[in-house]
Amino acid sequence: NAGVMQNPRHLVRRRGQEARLRCSPMKGHSHVYWYRQLPEEGLKFMVYLQKENIIDESGMPKERFSAEFPKEGPSILRIQQVVRGDSAAYFCASSPEDRGLRETQYFGPGTRLLVL
Amino acid sequence: AQSVTQLDSHVSVSEGTPVLLRCNYSSSYSPSLFWYVQHPNKGLQLLLKYTSAATLVKGINGFEAEFKKSETSFHLTKPSAHMSDAAEYFCVVSDPSQYAGGTSYGKLTFGQGTILTVHP
Repeated sequence: NAGVMQNPRHLVRRRGQEARLRCSPMKGHSHVYWYRQLPEEGLKFMVYLQKENIIDESGMPKERFSAEFPKEGPSILRIQQVVRGDSAAYFCASSPEDRGLRETQYFGPGTRLLVL
Repeated sequence: AQSVTQLDSHVSVSEGTPVLLRCNYSSSYSPSLFWYVQHPNKGLQLLLKYTSAATLVKGINGFEAEFKKSETSFHLTKPSAHMSDAAEYFCVVSDPSQYAGGTSYGKLTFGQGTILTVHP
């Protein structure tokens, strides 16, 4: 059973470009979460999605950031017009549908975004 | 909102000696608590979790943690450190958050992390 997959693992963008980060949850998981880890900091929650629905986006910056989890395919975190402050590691996690197990999240290896 | 405080940013031990990583939490109800480990440039691996069953929780790789409600603590311990334990450890609380559609249980709140160094 493959774990949570993220790609690319490393992404370099110039200021003003767009960054697209992809996450495929574990098989059988329908809940996806995105977290950001800035240098020297812990992880901060960004957004929680189910298939075709955003459940909680309270941690998402108001501008330039968006996330989706379509019926088919991976979840996408999109950052438009990137700035140097967006440089960070972005982690995706997934959890099962079972409500009793949903609090346990399984993390992917992360995408390390560097904005030049 | 829930929060966690990891009391030490760095802990250094010798191989074969005990490990203690300290965590205090703040919660208005009985929380779910977790410890995750992150090796350099890797993702996070779940070590153990507490979800209101037994207060002493055993995890992988010989780690365990004890939930103490009176002290609002959830310290991580291991009797004997191994070189491969060197990593960053995060204490985490599950934070049910209210939003327009109801209550979300998807939000994990992380502590600042403790870097564990193990000397030969």
